[in-house]
Amino acid sequence: QKEVEQDPGPLSVPEGAIVSLNCTYSNSAFQYFMWYRQYSRKGPELLMYTYSSGNKEDGRFTAQVDKSSKYISLFIRDSQPSDSATYLCAMTKNRDDKIIFGKGTRLHILP
Amino acid sequence: NAGVTQTPKFRILKIGQSMTLQCTQDMNHNYMYWYRQDPGMGLKLIYYSVGAGITDKGEVPNGYNVSRSTTEDFPLRLELAAPSQTSVYFCASSYSRGGSEQYFGPGTRLTVT
Repeated sequence: QKEVEQDPGPLSVPEGAIVSLNCTYSNSAFQYFMWYRQYSRKGPELLMYTYSSGNKEDGRFTAQVDKSSKYISLFIRDSQPSDSATYLCAMTKNRDDKIIFGKGTRLHILP
Repeated sequence: NAGVTQTPKFRILKIGQSMTLQCTQDMNHNYMYWYRQDPGMGLKLIYYSVGAGITDKGEVPNGYNVSRSTTEDFPLRLELAAPSQTSVYFCASSYSRGGSEQYFGPGTRLTVT
């Protein structure tokens, strides 16, 4: 079983829709969870960062962690064409350990 | 701040040639990383460094070498390039290893033919 699993997509949704992106993981020791956004031909940039379980909201973006199910989600409300990118989940056990990245989900928001 | 800069942006190498990918950060981060990204395969860690003079292997180090003589610079050396090294290479830096944001450079697209 891979440590982090993420559906590669592509996921195409109409502008204005709510988008749900997800990752599952196998290591219950993961405590820090991140979402990176990567535009085409650019480097990834951190979008959301959460510690342990619960929700975190930042504007149109909400990150959700369910440690009991080993499942994390990123929700995008009122999606815009500018949200079209690849979204990579990432996680780590502690501040001194390596970060494990998911393979990324390609998202297309259709105008 | 320029953040993380990488040169060159693009490069085509012939099989067996060597080259150095340059990476510089101006955020005074101790931690620096080299990743390669192949289509649909996510980011694979090649090498990382926890400070000047200290480097360690990631999950795919074969065919690569690194050095870290200063806090700012972390060059990646490819010896005897092979077609399997065709990829996009990203350099990143962070304040701490796992618990803080990694800042990525714009990438170097390398083709080996």
